[in-house]
Amino acid sequence: EAQVTQNPRYLITVTGKKLTVTCSQNMNHEYMSWYRQDPGLGLRQIYYSMNVEVTDKGDVPEGYKVSRKEKRNFPLILESPSPNQTSLYFCASSSLQGFQYEQYFGPGTRLTVT
Amino acid sequence: AQSVTQLGSHVSVSEGALVLLRCNYSSSVPPYLFWYVQYPNQGLQLLLKYTTGATLVKGINGFEAEFKKSETSFHLTKPSAHMSDAAEYFCAVSGGKLIFGQGTELSVKP
Repeated sequence: EAQVTQNPRYLITVTGKKLTVTCSQNMNHEYMSWYRQDPGLGLRQIYYSMNVEVTDKGDVPEGYKVSRKEKRNFPLILESPSPNQTSLYFCASSSLQGFQYEQYFGPGTRLTVT
Repeated sequence: AQSVTQLGSHVSVSEGALVLLRCNYSSSVPPYLFWYVQYPNQGLQLLLKYTTGATLVKGINGFEAEFKKSETSFHLTKPSAHMSDAAEYFCAVSGGKLIFGQGTELSVKP
């Protein structure tokens, strides 16, 4: 089954404790992206990657890091989480030809930073 | 630059009533327009999209949307709401990347 998976689905952590949210897709997609969803703000792009070893900032990259060492994986790293990073995070993927048309989303990771 | 405005953060309809979710966009280039749906505790799922061609597009679950260039709108409709339609709906525009609206939560009353 074609899918985007994220782990963990729920995470409660404390300020300053480094964490990683994993994202994996099995569709051989070149394009992958991270979004955060906040009430009243919709989804905002954090980082994206057009292919292995190619990443770029989205609209709200501060406080986040990403890496793309393998085509299928695109982890999101919070090296020193703060309470304002409490949010619902989505990973998405698509083909290079399709990233403007249709992206496939993971189920989301709800992060709480206390 | 592209932007999307969804009118109404919450919409409530009765089962069997018309669903109308409003979306207006701004784009400096011919837009690609999308509606995504997010069911509780799930990721986003594409409902329908407009790229070129016919301005009335049909999607899954009986939803459709009409691209009106003169009104810069892409409203989502469904003739008869079902309880299972309760979800959050996002309009999005693409001119190189997806820009999402704020979302509209649809509730359906029995």
